[in-house]
Amino acid sequence: QKEVEQNSGPLSVPEGAIASLNCTYSDRGSQSFFWYRQYSGKSPELIMSIYSNGDKEDGRFTAQLNKASQYVSLLIRDSQPSDSATYLCAVGLSGYSTLTFGKGTMLLVSP
Amino acid sequence: EPEVTQTPSHQVTQMGQEVILRCVPISNHLYFYWYRQILGQKVEFLVSFYNNEISEKSEIFDDQFSVERPDGSNFTLKIRSTKLEDSAMYFCASSRRDRDGYTFGSGTRLTVV
Repeated sequence: QKEVEQNSGPLSVPEGAIASLNCTYSDRGSQSFFWYRQYSGKSPELIMSIYSNGDKEDGRFTAQLNKASQYVSLLIRDSQPSDSATYLCAVGLSGYSTLTFGKGTMLLVSP
Repeated sequence: EPEVTQTPSHQVTQMGQEVILRCVPISNHLYFYWYRQILGQKVEFLVSFYNNEISEKSEIFDDQFSVERPDGSNFTLKIRSTKLEDSAMYFCASSRRDRDGYTFGSGTRLTVV
């Protein structure tokens, strides 16, 4: 069974801090990696994509990928209360064009 | 910003009835998907659709389910003989290319009573 694993949290950080969210995946052949944000009762919203080892930055968000360790992470700098949501890791497994989602990590940013 | 449109936003149906969930993907997207999320659980893949046919489907997508693209804009999910356990949020998504991130619609909350 090919899995995408995330700590369910909640991860609590104070406003202005860096939030670090982690995800591991079991399929070594996975090719594409995404982070989605999901507010309660809403649909997932794509915030980052990463396809190659290393870091990718977009505003306050940095995605990090390490294929050797089968690990992908999301850093949120200067966290805001509006960042409070569940963050979903999604992986494009080898042999499939569809995405497999983790259960998500709930992030709580306190003012 | 282009968006994926889903209707209805909420549907309540009697067990055993058929429902059709509707989606209008982003106009220049070529890949279409249905996912569902049971309350408190993860987003689960149901089916993907490309070039007017199913490209992949999960174990969940059995004979109870079907998809159609009846015209150039709509993409529908039909659930026959609904069961209580079909109650979930159903999301339509689309992407322009294979292995792109998806844009999700706002979802249809299906409640089977």
